[in-house]
Amino acid sequence: DAKTTQPPSMDCAEGRAANLPCNHSTISGNEYVYWYRQIHSQGPQYIIHGLKNNETNEMASLIITEDRKSSTLILPHATLRDTAVYYCIVRRSDTDKLIFGTGTRLQVFP
Amino acid sequence: EAQVTQNPRYLITVTGKKLTVTCSQNMNHEYMSWYRQDPGLGLRQIYYSMNVEVTDKGDVPEGYKVSRKEKRNFPLILESPSPNQTSLYFCASSLSLGQSLRVEQFFGPGTRLTVL
Repeated sequence: DAKTTQPPSMDCAEGRAANLPCNHSTISGNEYVYWYRQIHSQGPQYIIHGLKNNETNEMASLIITEDRKSSTLILPHATLRDTAVYYCIVRRSDTDKLIFGTGTRLQVFP
Repeated sequence: EAQVTQNPRYLITVTGKKLTVTCSQNMNHEYMSWYRQDPGLGLRQIYYSMNVEVTDKGDVPEGYKVSRKEKRNFPLILESPSPNQTSLYFCASSLSLGQSLRVEQFFGPGTRLTVL
């Protein structure tokens, strides 16, 4: 499975867009990019996933570069409740397994 | 409400005393999995199950057992707990890849286990 690299921490002002980068330069053609987040010590929560096209849902947008070597999760209007650890995961299309890294700790401040 | 439940949420026990952490899901999911989370190490998979009576080892299975007699339940068994099993444990479930392209995993609230 491809490995991912994320910054260990980021800050964002409340109401502004939070842009969380992820590098997955060794991703292969059958691997999806998934994003989960974990608020404090709660169970991780699915946010969004994509293969090569940009994706948007009610929680966030996912921008994947054309070469698929990196992606950005965008929370358009961050709130204090978005403070969490965000995990970028690359997952093969033929497996249910998720491999979590250490993620990015996003702190949203007032 | 669709959910994954775990019990107990908190447990303090002593070395060698067998314990079971239960996990149940009400979404008719085929795939279930157990993770442990330790500071600096992230979430690591212990065991998983693709369906009833089908279980397999994850990345850190030593010291754990699981069973999958019913689709909804996937208990985690520690036959002889040791202090290095002190951790935060999460159960998760999802549809299997054969059922859906969207295979988001739903996680339980976690069980914080301390082994003295």
